Amino acid sequence: GNSVTQMEGPVTLSEEAFLTINCTYTATGYPSLFWYVQYPGEGLQLLLKATKADDKGSNKGFEATYRKETTSFHLEKGSVQVSDSAVYFCALTSNDYKLSFGAGTTVTVRA
Amino acid sequence: NAGVTQTPKFQVLKTGQSMTLQCAQDMNHNSMYWYRQDPGMGLRLIYYSASEGTTDKGEVPNGYNVSRLNKREFSLRLESAAPSQTSVYFCASSEAFSRAKNIQYFGAGTRLSVL
Repeated sequence: GNSVTQMEGPVTLSEEAFLTINCTYTATGYPSLFWYVQYPGEGLQLLLKATKADDKGSNKGFEATYRKETTSFHLEKGSVQVSDSAVYFCALTSNDYKLSFGAGTTVTVRA
Repeated sequence: NAGVTQTPKFQVLKTGQSMTLQCAQDMNHNSMYWYRQDPGMGLRLIYYSASEGTTDKGEVPNGYNVSRLNKREFSLRLESAAPSQTSVYFCASSEAFSRAKNIQYFGAGTRLSVL
């Protein structure tokens, strides 16, 4: 079956620090990969996606590259802001079309 | 656009009570989903409706029922609530149940406590 493993949190950073959240996956077929973000008190919203190997998804300064050889899709941002404080979920969809989510990583950015 | 609207936002139930969580989307999406979110476990799929008129079990369907009332609305029913169903419930929708069109849009959630 499909599964997603992402680094445990919580992660606490200072403003302008570099953020990395690791995500690895197992999947049947050729999955599409996603990062969703959940701001406090809100539902999840798509942050970025990649649909094939070596694709790079990017949005709001965040990036992630689909690495088939290491089955990874790590999220990075070069300079975080307080407004980036949220829970980040790595997810995938494959042959069964259902989304499988990681456990989520809570990120807190301090001013 | 409202997107995906869930009601209520909060609910407290006693063990054995029943309730229905409502979800409506205004994006003309074909597919709708119900998830529960528990600490350290991410989101788990309870039920989904690939298209109007169909519903299927997800990963954790026990204790729940669903109704796809029409293309816009997808409700989740707890017939006899148990403390293990204390969770945050999210409804989502997508254009279609396919790999290419499965970007899901989420509601703000319903926080349910069962005492």
